[in-house]
Amino acid sequence: EDQVTQSPEALRLQEGESSSLNCSYTVSGLRGLFWYRQDPGKGPEFLFTLYSAGEEKEKERLKATLTKKESFLHITAPKPEDSATYLCAVQAGGSQGNLIFGKGTKLSVKP
Amino acid sequence: DAGITQSPRHKVTETGTPVTLRCHQTENHRYMYWYRQDPGHGLRLIHYSYGVKDTDKGEVSDGYSVSRSKTEDFLLTLESATSSQTSVYFCAISQGGNQPQHFGDGTRLSIL
Repeated sequence: EDQVTQSPEALRLQEGESSSLNCSYTVSGLRGLFWYRQDPGKGPEFLFTLYSAGEEKEKERLKATLTKKESFLHITAPKPEDSATYLCAVQAGGSQGNLIFGKGTKLSVKP
Repeated sequence: DAGITQSPRHKVTETGTPVTLRCHQTENHRYMYWYRQDPGHGLRLIHYSYGVKDTDKGEVSDGYSVSRSKTEDFLLTLESATSSQTSVYFCAISQGGNQPQHFGDGTRLSIL
């Protein structure tokens, strides 16, 4: 069964304190792994797509990496505006774009 | 923001009544999706469409139907709403393949 597990469920950081979020997955033939950010009352906002092990993508203070079993979202020197829920999703081979989502990591960054 | 509009944004209704949610896109994307989001669960796929009049079921399709008569509109219908269908519903669009999906801002539906 295709599955995505995110950890931790919640993470509290001080401003400037770097950390990582984990997304472990089991999927039959990975076509893509997607990271999203979701603010309260809003829809998920697309951040990154990773397609193969070893791939990395960066955007401002965020860096996403991918191995054959998991992905990490590294947050360097976070700011309060980085506070949000971060969602990970995978697309299995043969699917018509259907995504399987994890439950998310709620990140709080305190000034 | 991707041109996705969901309506209504909020709705309160009673058990047993029919409810229709609308998703409208201005991006001319081929694929459209309906998800629900509940506490303790990840986003779960209800139905999706891969073209006009072409739809298929997702993981949690029981009690829901969809229609797509135009590229830009994808409707989700609860024929007889139940309290277990109280949720936040998100529409998403994509160009297909392994391209990312882009989401609307959701409809908060409460069924009393």
